[in-house]
Amino acid sequence: DTGVSQDPRHKITKRGQNVTFRCDPISEHNRLYWYRQTLGQGPEFLTYFQNEAQLEKSRLLSDRFSAERPKGSFSTLEIQRTEQGDSAMYLCASSLAGANTEAFFGQGTRLTVV
Amino acid sequence: QQQVKQSPQSLIVQKGGISIINCAYENTAFDYFPWYQQFPGKGPALLIAIRPDVSEKKEGRFTISFNKSAKQFSLHIMDSQPGDSATYFCAASGGAQKLVFGQGTRLTINP
Repeated sequence: DTGVSQDPRHKITKRGQNVTFRCDPISEHNRLYWYRQTLGQGPEFLTYFQNEAQLEKSRLLSDRFSAERPKGSFSTLEIQRTEQGDSAMYLCASSLAGANTEAFFGQGTRLTVV
Repeated sequence: QQQVKQSPQSLIVQKGGISIINCAYENTAFDYFPWYQQFPGKGPALLIAIRPDVSEKKEGRFTISFNKSAKQFSLHIMDSQPGDSATYFCAASGGAQKLVFGQGTRLTINP
């Protein structure tokens, strides 16, 4: 399968714990995006990378959130000291650089903070 | 200015009918307008996309109509089928391809 892969698919954690999600983009894609989707809403942009450089971060990305893409391939999104409001689907997407190229989404990681 | 407004929130259509979902945007810098289909527990999947230099794009049963002056675009699903039942999102982007999504439309096709 050459699509965008996310791991884990589901994560249940206690409030205050740290969690880390992984995204493996389509191999030739140099742009990688993270979005958050809450129930009944459209995805909201969090951050994106071009190769290993993090080029934009949303105001939604508080200090407790950090994302990396160390070698320009896979990416991780870490949430420290999780809160119940962090419960959401975290989606990763990838695309080629350039104007108006298609973004492919992964299946997402469903985070539940209890 | 970053908002994309989508309507209706939910839609019920009989099998074989036409499903129509509308979106409006404010940011004139947007230059790419995709529609995504999402099934429960899955990530969004691109259905069809349009650029503002054309007023209509058709792929199979799916058509996007685009009105640049009104800053509106719509998705038409012809001959709607029960398998089309899903949530549909319009989106818009410009430059860095960061997508701004609408609120979604839950479409139900009754057999």
